[in-house]
Amino acid sequence: QLQLQESGPGLVKPSETLSLTCTVSGGSISSSGYYWGWIRQPPGKGLDWIGSIYSSGSTYFNPSLKTRVTISVDMSKNQISLTLSSVTAADTAVYYCARSPDWYYFDFWGQGTLVTVSS
Amino acid sequence: EIVLTQSPGTLSLSPGERATLSCRASQSVSSSYLAWYQQIPGQAPRLLIYGASSRATGIPDRFSGSGSGTDFTLTIGRLEPEDFAVYYCQQCGSSTYTFGQGTKVEIK
Repeated sequence: QLQLQESGPGLVKPSETLSLTCTVSGGSISSSGYYWGWIRQPPGKGLDWIGSIYSSGSTYFNPSLKTRVTISVDMSKNQISLTLSSVTAADTAVYYCARSPDWYYFDFWGQGTLVTVSS
Repeated sequence: EIVLTQSPGTLSLSPGERATLSCRASQSVSSSYLAWYQQIPGQAPRLLIYGASSRATGIPDRFSGSGSGTDFTLTIGRLEPEDFAVYYCQQCGSSTYTFGQGTKVEIK
């Protein structure tokens, strides 16, 4: 069974860079036809797509976050990474990684990790 | 950007009743690009419906999706206690994803 697990600091200071890793087990991130995405959810609010990456390295971003986001893959570790620069309190959220077959929807999700931006 | 508007914001129903949730898009969406998720508090979203009407693996047949163009519907045939949750629609056109703001189905 495919499993995704997010990890990273739970607290980031304003203006600094948020860095998270998603470790995938039970399947390879290099498999063709799959995109790997990051989605976040501020406390008590809805879901917001951050960006996605294909196994080839092609990336796609939410236009509202594009200038601050980097997504990359490490095939040797079967991991997907997210960095978000110049964070503010508005970036406080639960961050999820998820798999997307052929782009259309997200069928497997990690449990999520809460990141709080505060000094 | 395609905006998805879900209604109602909250649906108060009793177990055994039928739930009808609406998702309206600001412009036409291919049916292939429309999905529905269920989220129980403290948990990750779970895929229910993809391609507007196809049930995901392991999803009970009391969940059904329909619609086309700008109007899509998620129907829960008879509510079970575990169905009280928040439901989101999602589209993936124009190389971006957007989600609706969610509909909360609560116990009346």
